[in-house]
Amino acid sequence: GQQLNQSPQSMFIQEGEDVSMNCTSSSIFNTWLWYKQDPGEGPVLLIALYKAGELTSNGRLTAQFGITRKDSFLNISASIPSDVGIYFCSTSGTYKYIFGTGTRLKVLA
Amino acid sequence: NAGVTQTPKFRVLKTGQSMTLLCAQDMNHEYMYWYRQDPGMGLRLIHYSVGEGTTAKGEVPDGYNVSRLKKQNFLLGLESAAPSQTSVYFCASSYSTYARNEQFFGPGTRLTVL
Repeated sequence: GQQLNQSPQSMFIQEGEDVSMNCTSSSIFNTWLWYKQDPGEGPVLLIALYKAGELTSNGRLTAQFGITRKDSFLNISASIPSDVGIYFCSTSGTYKYIFGTGTRLKVLA
Repeated sequence: NAGVTQTPKFRVLKTGQSMTLLCAQDMNHEYMYWYRQDPGMGLRLIHYSVGEGTTAKGEVPDGYNVSRLKKQNFLLGLESAAPSQTSVYFCASSYSTYARNEQFFGPGTRLTVL
């Protein structure tokens, strides 16, 4: 099925560092959703974006809906050990959702 | 507000056995989904429903059946389990895929088929 291109695939960072990841597509979408999945748990919605250019924050997380409507970015500031997990982007088509391949984040204390 | 709940959380089956996974949501969502997640494969859509009494096939429907008799419940059935169905199963729901289209996931069911 169709997937969104997400990068990087994985990253190791030091505690306290900022993290950036992005999601791109060749198609235009009206929504970008960002999720985090902890090991052994279900994905949890972090941020939802509905408007091109929109910038939304949730605590230390900030996400932006790209102006071309083909991409989105997620930033995590001052990372902490509990930020470890898989982050993935998602958007919706007719009745179904499309998912990014995920960014696996590991934080070194 | 419990959100999306799934039962059971864990299950071990022998090849050929049957079972039903139950998903319930209390958000009055119209759309419900069943996914499976395998290592390195991401989320793959098994079946989905866009309203009570409706179901449709996703990417990997073979070996599974579903029912949506009540708006709040979406059942996933395995009639004759196979080792290839060992996976983590996630249920999800949303109002729609247009406006208000945040999709919310359950905690997952870990199924092992021996």
